[in-house]
Amino acid sequence: GAGVSQTPSNKVTEKGKYVELRCDPISGHTALYWYRQSLGQGPEFLIYFQGTGAADDSGLPNDRFFAVRPEGSVSTLKIQRTERGDSAVYLCASSLITGLDTGELFFGEGSRLTVL
Amino acid sequence: GNSVTQMEGPVTLSEEAFLTINCTYTATGYPSLFWYVQYPGEGLQLLLKATKADDKGSNKGFEATYRKETTSFHLEKGSVQVSDSAVYFCALPQGGSEKLVFGKGTKLTVNP
Repeated sequence: GAGVSQTPSNKVTEKGKYVELRCDPISGHTALYWYRQSLGQGPEFLIYFQGTGAADDSGLPNDRFFAVRPEGSVSTLKIQRTERGDSAVYLCASSLITGLDTGELFFGEGSRLTVL
Repeated sequence: GNSVTQMEGPVTLSEEAFLTINCTYTATGYPSLFWYVQYPGEGLQLLLKATKADDKGSNKGFEATYRKETTSFHLEKGSVQVSDSAVYFCALPQGGSEKLVFGKGTKLTVNP
């Protein structure tokens, strides 16, 4: 596809369950970002990949959250033992180059996670 | 660290009205500044940017000027349309990193 694709678009789960959210970036984009957006708030940075490696994971809230990008393209955000406070829209973005001063981030439509 | 404070909404205007959405920033140095927009049912997209002081970013009739004296990057449009209804986010990089720090967003509704 032409844009960043995120699946599922909606996920409802029960407290304590494990969840995976997938992001398929724009082809050729080396940088990939995960953000979390709670209701009425702006997106909050979680993690950034350059290629296959996590260059900055300082935004992950705790060790229940983990993300991978094994082949430098598709990324999966994994949340263990989900809590109600994890409910939010999880946004993925990609960019061709890492320079925020010269490039722009292309965002997907997000995956809305609801933890009951 | 770097941060932005954005005018809270929601903002409701009639078509052809003048729009201002205020954004002020706190930053080390002079990072690039961005406005992103989120139309209903769509992902965030870059609306405009300015890379240095006194630069003016513009796109789709929107403008914002990077003012270091007032540490501001206010978004303006002279005549809004119904199709401009969206949520607008001011953003800047977090101190030399790849993170973008976003404001809370301002929801704009334009009525015919």
